[in-house]
Amino acid sequence: QITLKESGPTLVKPTQTLTLTCTFSGFSLSTGAVGVGWIRQPPGKALEWLALIYWDDDKRYSPSLKSRLTITKDTSKNQVVLTMTNMDPVDTATYYCAHSFEEQLFDYWGQGTLVTVSS
Amino acid sequence: QPVLTQPPSSSASPGESARLTCTLPSDINVGSYSIYWYQQKPGSPPNYLLYYYSDSDKGQGSGVPSRFSGSKDASANAGILLISGLLSEDEADYYCMIWPSFAVFGTGTRVTVL
Repeated sequence: QITLKESGPTLVKPTQTLTLTCTFSGFSLSTGAVGVGWIRQPPGKALEWLALIYWDDDKRYSPSLKSRLTITKDTSKNQVVLTMTNMDPVDTATYYCAHSFEEQLFDYWGQGTLVTVSS
Repeated sequence: QPVLTQPPSSSASPGESARLTCTLPSDINVGSYSIYWYQQKPGSPPNYLLYYYSDSDKGQGSGVPSRFSGSKDASANAGILLISGLLSEDEADYYCMIWPSFAVFGTGTRVTVL
């Protein structure tokens, strides 16, 4: 059974750096063709993809946010970490992590964590 | 960054079919990409429904009923999600996505079951 869970601060101040952790079970990020991605959703708005890391450490980023994002993995801990610099109130959103395998992109999702950016 | 356009809303009665469209920008050929579909109910994370590239290259999410099916309309440069035999539980937001080396989500369609 594949499960993912996001964790991190619920409130960050403008200009701060956000660090989110996705802890997963039921699969390994050392298995070929497996990936874990991050997607966010501002309140009442559409989904926005942020980043994805593959089993072989290949990393992909949203072109519009690439300069602010870093995604890493710790295979031994079954965790993926996303950092986003220079947070702004417009970054207020629910942040999800999700599993991918081969052509099945984002087939399992975490419950999400709401991050509010406010002074 | 490209935008996938979805109609904001769609409605149909129980038992009817709902046909949701996902229109790609003119510089991206729908024939070149798989179209992914996700369902999201209020207060819940998205649920993966399926992907469709062609009739011979498609996949259904685990436990997703066959009432949900994908296709393409090349003339409209659009991906299609067909929900047959609509149920009240199908009332949700639906998002499409493509992966041209990075993920692009659609604007979303809210489906109302009358």
